[in-house]
Amino acid sequence: DAGVIQSPRHEVTEMGQEVTLRCKPISGHNSLFWYRQTMMRGLELLIYFNNNVPIDDSGMPEDRFSAKMPNASFSTLKIQPSEPRDSAVYFCASTLQGSGYTFGSGTRLTVV
Amino acid sequence: AQTVTQSQPEMSVQEAETVTLSCTYDTSENNYYLFWYKQPPSRQMILVIRQEAYKQQNATENRFSVNFQKAAKSFSLKISDSQLGDTAMYFCAFMSLTTSGTYKYIFGTGTRLKVLA
Repeated sequence: DAGVIQSPRHEVTEMGQEVTLRCKPISGHNSLFWYRQTMMRGLELLIYFNNNVPIDDSGMPEDRFSAKMPNASFSTLKIQPSEPRDSAVYFCASTLQGSGYTFGSGTRLTVV
Repeated sequence: AQTVTQSQPEMSVQEAETVTLSCTYDTSENNYYLFWYKQPPSRQMILVIRQEAYKQQNATENRFSVNFQKAAKSFSLKISDSQLGDTAMYFCAFMSLTTSGTYKYIFGTGTRLKVLA
């Protein structure tokens, strides 16, 4: 298995633009998570899905953020419009309930 | 509400020596899982070790072992024979089953470990 695959690895965008981050979880995993990591706030859970259904999106900072999981093998995290304070590393992780996470390599987002 | 506390923001250890990273948590639940994750400079998050709360025996993975004290709600990570490649951020994490049947995950803020040559 190639692990959790995130794309792109790096994204630089201008303020106001739409940004879409992508994640392919490990086949067979039934939970998918989006995390954001910054030096100021550490690792924050944004949203997680269980069997493709959003379970807890209380960590989504505001309406500019949205996430979808149309099927078991794909998820997106979208920011529209993006702002400089959204600059962070965004991790996707998947798990089979009861086991540990497998994290993707992360997407480093820079909004200028 | 559950919390996970890592009270050591930064630590350092000489190569080949042993270091212990502390983690405490707070929960009223009896069944849960605890994890240590490693995040090296590459940013990848790697599962180091996992402990089921119902197991009394401490988990061990090669040079990594835990001291799980359920009554004290403590879950420390011991790294023996430290190697330069162990330099990373280490996260302690708690996972439990919620009343709605889904899982809840909580991470500590991390401990930055530096192994010195």
